[in-house]
Amino acid sequence: KNQVEQSPQSLIILEGKNCTLQCNYTVSPFSNLRWYKQDTGRGPVSLTIMTFSENTKSNGRYTATLDADTKQSSLHITASQLSDSASYICVVSEGNAGNNRKLIWGLGTSLAVNP
Amino acid sequence: ETGVTQTPRHLVMGMTNKKSLKCEQHLGHNAMYWYKQSAKKPLELMFVYNFKEQTENNSVPSRFSPECPNSSHLFLHLHTLQPEDSALYLCASSLSSIPGPSYEQYFGPGTRLTVT
Repeated sequence: KNQVEQSPQSLIILEGKNCTLQCNYTVSPFSNLRWYKQDTGRGPVSLTIMTFSENTKSNGRYTATLDADTKQSSLHITASQLSDSASYICVVSEGNAGNNRKLIWGLGTSLAVNP
Repeated sequence: ETGVTQTPRHLVMGMTNKKSLKCEQHLGHNAMYWYKQSAKKPLELMFVYNFKEQTENNSVPSRFSPECPNSSHLFLHLHTLQPEDSALYLCASSLSSIPGPSYEQYFGPGTRLTVT
């Protein structure tokens, strides 16, 4: 069964600290993986998208990694800010080129950055 | 702002009421989506429209009735809902519903629905 599992479920860190969020998936065939940030009361906003051949991709203080062999991805946040408090959702796109693709959504990691 | 707006932002309705959710996108996209987000559950895709035509209905109960009059507007008509339908309803749009670089979805802020 295609699944996306994220850990930890929730995390509390102090402002200025770094943190790493994990995403493990069993989706096959794999197309791409996205990380979304969802602020409370808002819709998800895309942070990064990674394809099979990409190992690392950065977006400001956010760095995503992908290991397609072990089917794991991580999202590293550097020098956290209060505005980083949000839910971070990992989404894996299933399917081969030319076929209909499905998005398999994770439950998300709830991050709280405290002053 | 993502270019996708939703109204109302909050809605409380009884099980016998009829209400509608509205979504509008200002991005020139051709595909629009309705999602349901419940606590402790992943996002659930409900409906997909591409160029005003419904291309996907993920076994959604008939008490949810979508309408897409044009590529910029999407409605979700609600009637005789159940308390378990209480959730955040998200609208999204993308340039294309065909997998590829144009598949990136942009989400609205959602409507928080409470069914009493």
